[in-house]
Amino acid sequence: DTGVSQNPRHKITKRGQNVTFRCDPISEHNRLYWYRQTLGQGPEFLTYFQNEAQLEKSRLLSDRFSAERPKGSFSTLEIQRTEQGDSAMYLCASSFRDNHGYTFGSGTRLTVV
Amino acid sequence: TQLLEQSPQFLSIQEGENLTVYCNSSSVFSSLQWYRQEPGEGPVLLVTVVTGGEVKKLKRLTFQFGDARKDSSLHITAAQPGDTGLYLCAGELGTGNQFYFGTGTSLTVIP
Repeated sequence: DTGVSQNPRHKITKRGQNVTFRCDPISEHNRLYWYRQTLGQGPEFLTYFQNEAQLEKSRLLSDRFSAERPKGSFSTLEIQRTEQGDSAMYLCASSFRDNHGYTFGSGTRLTVV
Repeated sequence: TQLLEQSPQFLSIQEGENLTVYCNSSSVFSSLQWYRQEPGEGPVLLVTVVTGGEVKKLKRLTFQFGDARKDSSLHITAAQPGDTGLYLCAGELGTGNQFYFGTGTSLTVIP
């Protein structure tokens, strides 16, 4: 297992287009998180899965955002009708239940033009 | 408002110097973590502290959790250029399902 994998690493899209990102967590980890990070800021929580169940969503996650983890393994984050304000690094992390500490992926850098 | 405030926001020092980064909040955390992030990469976990007053050492890095579990510090001794990066603290409230990240301290160590 090589850690948390995110694809693509970079995505440039035109405003109004839909984009989808994928995260493959560490296989033994049952918790999966999505965070968003803008330049010069710390990561902001978006949503969290325990196995296939989405247990918590931030107010930052507008109705244009949807996340899934259909089989409790990989997860996808989709953004519909992208806006320039969606430009950010989208980070995925995984952890054991009750473990103190995330393992982050390298992120997907989204640029909306 | 940010739940965790870090200071300083930016720090540029010469190789060999010592430095301390602070992470402060008015909230009580059940645990607190420190991460280091390099440009274009995700944060990498350095340490987790869970007990008020706890001190952990990782080579030249010393981490302290405040007695009241509201604040933490990271001290680096004899900084090296490889220490350059964004240092982030992150706190867990209760047995919540997420960590709240601080604003970050961008450290540059000049050879």
